Amino acid sequence: DTGVSQDPRHKITKRGQNVTFRCDPISEHNRLYWYRQTLGQGPEFLTYFQNEAQLEKSRLLSDRFSAERPKGSFSTLEIQRTEQGDSAMYLCASSEHGGSYEQYFGPGTRLTVT
Amino acid sequence: RKEVEQDPGPFNVPEGATVAFNCTYSNSASQSFFWYRQDCRKEPKLLMSVYSSGNEDGRFTAQLNRASQYISLLIRDSKLSDSATYLCVVSKTGANNLFFGTGTRLTVIP
Repeated sequence: DTGVSQDPRHKITKRGQNVTFRCDPISEHNRLYWYRQTLGQGPEFLTYFQNEAQLEKSRLLSDRFSAERPKGSFSTLEIQRTEQGDSAMYLCASSEHGGSYEQYFGPGTRLTVT
Repeated sequence: RKEVEQDPGPFNVPEGATVAFNCTYSNSASQSFFWYRQDCRKEPKLLMSVYSSGNEDGRFTAQLNRASQYISLLIRDSKLSDSATYLCVVSKTGANNLFFGTGTRLTVIP
């Protein structure tokens, strides 16, 4: 399977704990995006990487959130001191450089904070 | 005002029916337009890009009206497998992120 992959698929954590999610993009895609989706809403943009550079961050990305893409391949999204409001599906997408911005999504990591 | 607005539905239609969804976008600088399909508890999947001249892919036709800032999706001869949420998506000029509508839920009934 050469699509976007994400790990873990599900994560249940207690409030206050730190969690880290991983995304592996489609291999020839140099752009990587993180989104968050809550029930009944469309995905909301969190942050974007071109290669290893984090070029854009949403206001939704509070200081408890940090994302990295150290070698321009896979990316990690860490949430520190999780809150119940962080419960959501965290989606990763990737796209080729340039073109029509068609983004392809991974299966997501569903986070539940208890 | 939201970047992208869609009627959430639900739309319940019989097999074989034709159904149309519309969405509006607020930023006239928007450059790229898409329809994504999302099944329950799954990731969004790109259904089709929307071009100024309109485009068709089998039973699916997408139209863009830049003057009125709306995008439409027409599904002909609905199949049970078309049941899903359809997300209208817009990208602004020079931006890298996508703006999603809340989605329109379609159920095709046997």
